[in-house]
Amino acid sequence: ETGVTQTPRHLVMGMTNKKSLKCEQHLGHNAMYWYKQSAKKPLELMFVYSLEERVENNSVPSRFSPECPNSSHLFLHLHTLQPEDSALYLCASSQDGGGPGSDTQYFGPGTRLTVL
Amino acid sequence: GDSVTQMEGPVTLSEEAFLTINCTYTATGYPSLFWYVQYPGEGLQLLLKATKADDKGSNKGFEATYRKETTSFHLEKGSVQVSDSAVYFCALKGSSNTGKLIFGQGTTLQVKP
Repeated sequence: ETGVTQTPRHLVMGMTNKKSLKCEQHLGHNAMYWYKQSAKKPLELMFVYSLEERVENNSVPSRFSPECPNSSHLFLHLHTLQPEDSALYLCASSQDGGGPGSDTQYFGPGTRLTVL
Repeated sequence: GDSVTQMEGPVTLSEEAFLTINCTYTATGYPSLFWYVQYPGEGLQLLLKATKADDKGSNKGFEATYRKETTSFHLEKGSVQVSDSAVYFCALKGSSNTGKLIFGQGTTLQVKP
């Protein structure tokens, strides 16, 4: 595997379910991100992890719970979601701290989530 | 705060037409600027970037020049193909080191044969 991978690619869940999205980066980066992409809205940054510490949480509801067990893996745990949470969830990674290429975020293909 | 504004879409062109997608930004200091592309059913891919004023980023026939005097980073391509149909996002990263990208709302490009 190369780049940033995300599983599953598609997920349908009921409002009472609990599920998790997984992201893995194979680029040796030290920062990872979750974004939400809804139709007709700008990309919304949800969470940022740098060196496995959460450094940003953009007022995301507590029904979304991120976890970063190491610099290569990032999870988004979902519970009691609402239909308006249906969206494409994108993971990205980057190398923070300066140096060549440190500005660039690399994205995974996303998980298309539908909440019934 | 920092922000990015892109032209509204969709943009519909015939094959081999000239493309311009406008992007302007507001930021303090000296941000880095990016264009990302999202093909149908996929995530975002970096298309090109520029990290300082007057830099020109280029890739796959696309170009954009970092213009600090007009705070712009317009995307251009001389001859578009059907395969260029996608959503294009302009983005900036501020001069702090938080790594946070600010995205524009995206511009859909449709190229017809």
